[in-house]
Amino acid sequence: GQSLEQPSEVTAVEGAIVQINCTYQTSGFYGLSWYQQHDGGAPTFLSYNALDGLEETGRFSSFLSRSDSYGYLLLQELQMKDSASYFCAVRDNQGGKLIFGQGTELSVKP
Amino acid sequence: DAGVIQSPRHEVTEMGQEVTLRCKPISGHDYLFWYRQTMMRGLELLIYFNNNVPIDDSGMPEDRFSAKMPNASFSTLKIQPSEPRDSAVYFCASSEGLGSNQPQHFGDGTRLSIL
Repeated sequence: GQSLEQPSEVTAVEGAIVQINCTYQTSGFYGLSWYQQHDGGAPTFLSYNALDGLEETGRFSSFLSRSDSYGYLLLQELQMKDSASYFCAVRDNQGGKLIFGQGTELSVKP
Repeated sequence: DAGVIQSPRHEVTEMGQEVTLRCKPISGHDYLFWYRQTMMRGLELLIYFNNNVPIDDSGMPEDRFSAKMPNASFSTLKIQPSEPRDSAVYFCASSEGLGSNQPQHFGDGTRLSIL
């Protein structure tokens, strides 16, 4: 089956850089996705990695190492509005439905 | 463009009652997903449809839950009879496809409380 592990909570200060890690176990790999969710609102798509390396989108970057079954989301120049839950997700072994991690709650302090 | 639209936003009802949640996906999206989110279990997929046909309902917790998609612009998730343990936030999402570069777009959710 598929499983993902990510830290439950991370705290950082405004302006800092924070990294949220995700390790996964899956019998077939179809890419690692990241979603953001503010305070129980609608999850929104942030990024996707199919190949090893770093993908950058503004202040957010996502990294993947397929050999290590590991990825991370990097948030730079943290702002208060970045306080949210962040979920990593992989496809099931048929490349179908998304399996989400339990989420990492990021708190950004002044 | 309108996003995924869910109704109602909030629902409070007594156990034993029938609950119907509604979803309008983004036009042109061939896939529709129903999720449930709780503190204990996180975000879990209940069922998903492709072109109005249910593809995987392995996440539906029991026979009290049913979902339909009578046409490309409407889906319902029904719970009958409802129980307090069904209290959760229910999200509907849609996507163009299943590729990881075809992200899912979520609605704002229905916050369901069963008393």
